Amino acid sequence: RKEVEQDPGPFNVPEGATVAFNCTYSNSASQSFFWYRQDCRKEPKLLMSVYSSGNEDGRFTAQLNRASQYISLLIRDSKLSDSATYLCVVRAHMNYGGSQGNLIFGKGTKLSVKP
Amino acid sequence: NAGVTQTPKFQVLKTGQSMTLQCAQDMNHEYMSWYRQDPGMGLRLIHYSVGAGITDQGEVPNGYNVSRSTTEDFPLRLLSAAPSQTSVYFCASRGTNQPQHFGDGTRLSIL
Repeated sequence: RKEVEQDPGPFNVPEGATVAFNCTYSNSASQSFFWYRQDCRKEPKLLMSVYSSGNEDGRFTAQLNRASQYISLLIRDSKLSDSATYLCVVRAHMNYGGSQGNLIFGKGTKLSVKP
Repeated sequence: NAGVTQTPKFQVLKTGQSMTLQCAQDMNHEYMSWYRQDPGMGLRLIHYSVGAGITDQGEVPNGYNVSRSTTEDFPLRLLSAAPSQTSVYFCASRGTNQPQHFGDGTRLSIL
């Protein structure tokens, strides 16, 4: 099982749609969780951290289920500018298996929002 | 505040040539990392450093060397370039328990 797995995508949705991305992680010692956004031929940029209680930032809502080792990202009222690849990222505890708290990236899910 | 600066942005090498990709950050971050990103493979960790004078191998270290003589700089060296090292390389840095900040990337082609 890969350490971080995401929906394969691509997701093609019309403007205004609600879209959900799912991610599972295999390392139960994972302690920090993030969603990054990567535009074509650009560097990944932090979209939002994911907290245990769930968190919202405008049209974006992130959820974490530690028992199921599952993370989600919901985008409401999709905009053309939301078109990008969304990366699920986890970080294990500093002292777990010599990982030094390195980030593990999923392969990403591509989203295309159409007019 | 420049953040993470990578140079060059583009480079073409011949097989067997050596080169150094430069990375500098001005945020006084302890952690610095190098990743490569290939189609269908996602971001893979090459080497990382948890502070000046300390480096360690990531998932795909073969063919690459790093050093961390200062907090600010973390160069990545290709000793003898191979076509399999054609990729997009990203340098990143972060503070303790903070999210990662990435440089703009270096697109490297090995002929």
